[in-house]
Amino acid sequence: AQKVTQAQTEISVVEKEDVTLDCVYETRDTTYYLFWYKQPPSGELVFLIRRNSFDEQNEISGRYSWNFQKSTSSFNFTITASQVVDSAVYFCALSARRDDKIIFGKGTRLHILP
Amino acid sequence: GAVVSQHPSRVICKSGTSVKIECRSLDFQATTMFWYRQFPKQSLMLMATSNEGSKATYEQGVEKDKFLINHASLTLSTLTVTSAHPEDSSFYICSARSGTAKETQYFGPGTRLLVL
Repeated sequence: AQKVTQAQTEISVVEKEDVTLDCVYETRDTTYYLFWYKQPPSGELVFLIRRNSFDEQNEISGRYSWNFQKSTSSFNFTITASQVVDSAVYFCALSARRDDKIIFGKGTRLHILP
Repeated sequence: GAVVSQHPSRVICKSGTSVKIECRSLDFQATTMFWYRQFPKQSLMLMATSNEGSKATYEQGVEKDKFLINHASLTLSTLTVTSAHPEDSSFYICSARSGTAKETQYFGPGTRLLVL
């Protein structure tokens, strides 16, 4: 069975602070894909990153960075120098090649306070 | 990136009526489309997977007679909520995947359904 756990339901930080959103996944497949999506109040999902199971390199994109560790089945997301516009719900998700469905975690609601 | 549209973006209907939601891939051929439902402050739950030209595969607990899915072309899938009730009020999101880049799904902007 596949599962994505985002233990942090809601996080509030003051603007300019760094914040890390945790994601732990479970799958028996050796080939799989991990995703992060942002969902602002408008509701539209914004794709942030896709990482396949064979690529454990960490990635940085501007203020965003991702730490993929297969040893702990984690795919954490860090926002550096947070801004109010980063306030949204963030979803971690998993898809296995064998089963092409995307399974979403429950999401973390992030509040960036001015 | 690829674009997926949904229509309508918002719909209000009376209880007992049927509502059709369209999902279109605008610049690629979508061999597979997915329909998700999201209740307020909850995650996206997959309802069904549809492949062009074949019957949709529904997730456990989703009533196929209530949520009719048609994927008659490579650019259009429709979800019809039949005899809608207030508990069907939700945010419905579709996604589409091409036959060549199977690891990537492109999500539509969603449709907010309110059943009175």
